[in-house]
Amino acid sequence: DTAVSQTPKYLVTQMGNDKSIKCEQNLGHDTMYWYKQDSKKFLKIMFSYNNKELIINETVPNRFSPKSPDKAHLNLHINSLELGDSAVYFCASSQDRFNEQFFGPGTRLTVL
Amino acid sequence: AQKVTQAQTEISVVEKEDVTLDCVYETRDTTYYLFWYKQPPSGELVFLIRRNSFDEQNEISGRYSWNFQKSTSSFNFTITASQVVDSAVYFCALQNNAGNMLTFGGGTRLMVKP
Repeated sequence: DTAVSQTPKYLVTQMGNDKSIKCEQNLGHDTMYWYKQDSKKFLKIMFSYNNKELIINETVPNRFSPKSPDKAHLNLHINSLELGDSAVYFCASSQDRFNEQFFGPGTRLTVL
Repeated sequence: AQKVTQAQTEISVVEKEDVTLDCVYETRDTTYYLFWYKQPPSGELVFLIRRNSFDEQNEISGRYSWNFQKSTSSFNFTITASQVVDSAVYFCALQNNAGNMLTFGGGTRLMVKP
């Protein structure tokens, strides 16, 4: 029944590793997003895909690469993890790029 | 470029008080979309309202109301008779007309004490 799901919920890893976070939505939405929320709760959009097409690509390091195999999935791959990547990452989806977003539960990434 | 400012980083009220959370935005678009989201202590983000720039009618939903003033570029959120369960971080957000730029404010942490 979960509308937007993310795995894993928690991710603890060492600097320099490569990791992926998966996101799936079962709402039939066309648009999906990735956000980063830092320790001060500041929420910043990273990427947005509409029908598998990249429409928002904010200034993030190219170590971050989104991948959308189909409309229902938007995965986030991070190479060469750094301490500053520690944050909560939220996936979201919306019917189209102008509608309200439904958020996943978040993935807390801790880089040691 | 667009910007959203939530000047109040933290507000503390006692239960049953009314409280208004301010949101001021900047955009060059004539068509745009404004949103409010709630993030309770459990961490999930919950949609509250969406408003497009052509709809300046104020909205009321139970104890929640929103005041959209295009002339002052503000989209303020009022909670009437606040309750402890209203304690959360509230985010205001602005989306541009093309749908390819979405900006969140810094959030306002609301603490409602019993």
